[in-house]
Amino acid sequence: EAGVAQSPRYKIIEKRQSVAFWCNPISGHATLYWYQQILGQGPKLLIQFQNNGVVDDSQLPKDRFSAERLKGVDSTLKIQPAKLEDSAVYLCASSLEAPSGIETQYFGPGTRLLVL
Amino acid sequence: GNSVTQMEGPVTLSEEAFLTINCTYTATGYPSLFWYVQYPGEGLQLLLKATKADDKGSNKGFEATYRKETTSFHLEKGSVQVSDSAVYFCAFWGNTGNQFYFGTGTSLTVIP
Repeated sequence: EAGVAQSPRYKIIEKRQSVAFWCNPISGHATLYWYQQILGQGPKLLIQFQNNGVVDDSQLPKDRFSAERLKGVDSTLKIQPAKLEDSAVYLCASSLEAPSGIETQYFGPGTRLLVL
Repeated sequence: GNSVTQMEGPVTLSEEAFLTINCTYTATGYPSLFWYVQYPGEGLQLLLKATKADDKGSNKGFEATYRKETTSFHLEKGSVQVSDSAVYFCAFWGNTGNQFYFGTGTSLTVIP
């Protein structure tokens, strides 16, 4: 079974520029998550989709971050404009069912973003 | 609020040594507890989990027991191998807020 795919793997941009990340979850997985992992910290949930609807985006900085999952399959996360503190690894994960507290999340390899 | 406190690294051990990585949590109620592992260049993978008090999760020689009384979920392995070198994350699913909370990760290096 193919895993969670993410692209690009690395991105370097200057502050105030825009950037977009793409994620393709495991086939058939209803729930998709985006996490931000700053160096030396654990992943922090940004947004969670159930099919193509947003379940939780309480920690997404909505003034600059946006995400969509239009057809309930793949998803894009955008930052516009980027700030220096956005430098991090952006992880995408998916799970088969809605979060139940015991559902296993499967993670992609991440996109490493450096903002100069 | 919800949080995970994890033993700070980096940890360096010789092959066949005993491993313990401490993890304690602060949460409402009794959440399911997880250990994830991130090998170099790869994504996070579920290592093991426990869904209720006194449950023991195990996988690949690693074990962790859900201790309600001490709100802990320490990771142990009796004899580590070079291939166990990775970053280990303790996590739980918060019953309030409906999201995962991760620790900061503990880097383990096993030397031959």
